[in-house]
Amino acid sequence: GAGVSQTPSNKVTEKGKYVELRCDPISGHTALYWYRQSLGQGPEFLIYFQGTGAADDSGLPNDRFFAVRPEGSVSTLKIQRTERGDSAVYLCASSSPGRGPSGANVLTFGAGSRLTVL
Amino acid sequence: DQQVKQNSPSLSVQEGRISILNCDYTNSMFDYFLWYKKYPAEGPTFLISISSIKDKNEDGRFTVFLNKSAKHLSLHIVPSQPGDSAVYFCAASGSSGTYKYIFGTGTRLKVLA
Repeated sequence: GAGVSQTPSNKVTEKGKYVELRCDPISGHTALYWYRQSLGQGPEFLIYFQGTGAADDSGLPNDRFFAVRPEGSVSTLKIQRTERGDSAVYLCASSSPGRGPSGANVLTFGAGSRLTVL
Repeated sequence: DQQVKQNSPSLSVQEGRISILNCDYTNSMFDYFLWYKKYPAEGPTFLISISSIKDKNEDGRFTVFLNKSAKHLSLHIVPSQPGDSAVYFCAASGSSGTYKYIFGTGTRLKVLA
């Protein structure tokens, strides 16, 4: 697609429920990232995929959080037994192989999925 | 431990003047830096980047300066326009291994017409 697509854009759930958030990256982008942004904070790294495998999952806060990318394209972030503190905007980003003109690996973000846990 | 810091939560500037947004970092292994702009209800949008082998990178109205010895970078916008009003984030990463970026907490820029 033209951009990074995230669904749902808004999700309201009750404490203890299970939630899935989906990310459809830009076609051809091999790297995919999940970030979480709480109110008044910057995006906080959760996990990064290179192809189908999680290259770095050091940001996942605990074992209630899990992400998959089975075919190297669409990714799903799964949150079990949601807690009120999980309420945030979950951002997905993708990037193309290699680096941009300055040498930096530029991330293109989706609009995010706003999760509210009541 | 906040490795990337944006100590000014907000900034107001008159239209046509220069906006200067600052960012400090603590990890000397960071060598790629990006600036992003974010409007409400949208994802962050990439603006400009710089690598540690440079001290300046310019793209139109946007210039990023890097002072490695001070572990400080700044984004200059000149002339500032009302459409520049947004939250600006700096982000940093190291070159080896992971491509993950660490983001600052953001600075809200308001350009007054």
